[in-house]
Amino acid sequence: AQTVTQSQPEMSVQEAETVTLSCTYDTSESDYYLFWYKQPPSRQMILVIRQEAYKQQNATENRFSVNFQKAAKSFSLKISDSQLGDAAMYFCAYVAANTGNQFYFGTGTSLTVIP
Amino acid sequence: NAGVTQTPKFRILKIGQSMTLQCAQDMNHNYMYWYRQDPGMGLKLIYYSVGAGITDKGEVPNGYNVSRSTTEDFPLRLELAAPSQTSVYFCASSYMKSEQYFGPGTRLTVT
Repeated sequence: AQTVTQSQPEMSVQEAETVTLSCTYDTSESDYYLFWYKQPPSRQMILVIRQEAYKQQNATENRFSVNFQKAAKSFSLKISDSQLGDAAMYFCAYVAANTGNQFYFGTGTSLTVIP
Repeated sequence: NAGVTQTPKFRILKIGQSMTLQCAQDMNHNYMYWYRQDPGMGLKLIYYSVGAGITDKGEVPNGYNVSRSTTEDFPLRLELAAPSQTSVYFCASSYMKSEQYFGPGTRLTVT
């Protein structure tokens, strides 16, 4: 079975600074999708960014960008110019493109933003 | 456009009781999912469906049942509630394997 690992249970960052959250995954598939979701205290799961494995270019979405290293099976999230509203749990997720229909989630990283 | 809706938001059950968690989406998504999230943990897949009339087990299906009679609705049934089923339950939908849209969650306590 595929596994998604987030090795940082907690991270903190000063407001306006940059922070990187780590995610690694294990798969034998060559085509898949990777996601970062944000879960604020309201519990609502919100999509932050999405990456297709066949695309070499790293996805970006405003202050959020990823460093996708396919050979290393690594998918880290970089948050630039951190804001107080970025404080949340962040989950990394994986789904194979062509086999199976299950999404696999990591255990999450709790991000604190220090004013 | 309501997105994914879940009812109820909170529920307390006694051991052995049964209940149905409701989930509906109005985005015409073919894929729908049920997850549970235990404190301090990620999401674990209970059941999923790739279309009306088609359901399949996820990682933790024991103690639950689902049905998918329409594209819009995907209810989750707990037959004999146990304390181990105390959790927050999320329903999600997606178009194929694009990003999932989540409901607001149901907090269930079994005592």
